[in-house]
Amino acid sequence: QQPVQSPQAVILREGEDAVINCSSSKALYSVHWYRQKHGEAPVFLMILLKGGEQKGHEKISASFNEKKQQSSLYLTASQLSYSGTYFCGTGPGGYQKVTFGTGTKLQVIP
Amino acid sequence: GAVVSQHPSRVICKSGTSVKIECRSLDFQATTMFWYRQFPKQSLMLMATSNEGSKATYEQGVEKDKFLINHASLTLSTLTVTSAHPEDSSFYICSAIDSTKGGMNTEAFFGQGTRLTVV
Repeated sequence: QQPVQSPQAVILREGEDAVINCSSSKALYSVHWYRQKHGEAPVFLMILLKGGEQKGHEKISASFNEKKQQSSLYLTASQLSYSGTYFCGTGPGGYQKVTFGTGTKLQVIP
Repeated sequence: GAVVSQHPSRVICKSGTSVKIECRSLDFQATTMFWYRQFPKQSLMLMATSNEGSKATYEQGVEKDKFLINHASLTLSTLTVTSAHPEDSSFYICSAIDSTKGGMNTEAFFGQGTRLTVV
C-alpha cells in the first residue's frame, strides 16, 4: 500500500512557502523525497534515515517522524523552478523495494 | 552525480510486437537495478528488481513472462515488453545503485525514462 501525500496539488506564488506531507500505514525505516518535472525522470532530493531527523538545504528541507510514520517536506521562499510533482518514497530499508507515494503537484506562478 | 542512460527515450510499436528498453550505468557498476512504470498523472510503481547474474524479482501482479528482464552485466539491464498491447503504453523508468557504495541506503540514480506507445 503506497504512502498517501497531502495536499494532492498546490499553487503558490513566488516567494511563498509550502509543506507537503507523506503518511504511511506501514512502519517507515527511511523516507526519500523526489521531484519530477513533466515527461522527465524523478530527481532525488534527499533521504532521511532516522526518526526525528531533519535534513535539507536552507530552502528545501524535510523532517521524519518515525513514530507517527510521517514525513514532511518544507519549501520556503518558493521559486519557479520548484514546480513539478513531488513524491515521497519509503521502503523496508533504504532503496530496496521503494514504494512511491501518491504524489503532490506543485505549481509556482510569478 | 552518477549517470544512468536509458534508451530509447520514446518508442512507438504495433500491437503484438515486442520492445526492448535498455538501462545502462555509465560510470559505475550496478548489481541491482529497478524498473518502474508510471501511467499518466499517477505515481511510479515498482515492477521488478533486476539482479546481475540472477533472475529478476517481480512485484505482485507483474507478469514475468510479459516483462522480460535481463541483467547480464554489471552495467546493463534490459526490459523487454513482449506482445505489447495498448494498455502497456506507459512511461518506463529504471534506476540503479552503485555497487561499490554498499549499504541499503545508497542513493539510486534514475534513467531518463522511456515513453512507450503501443498502437
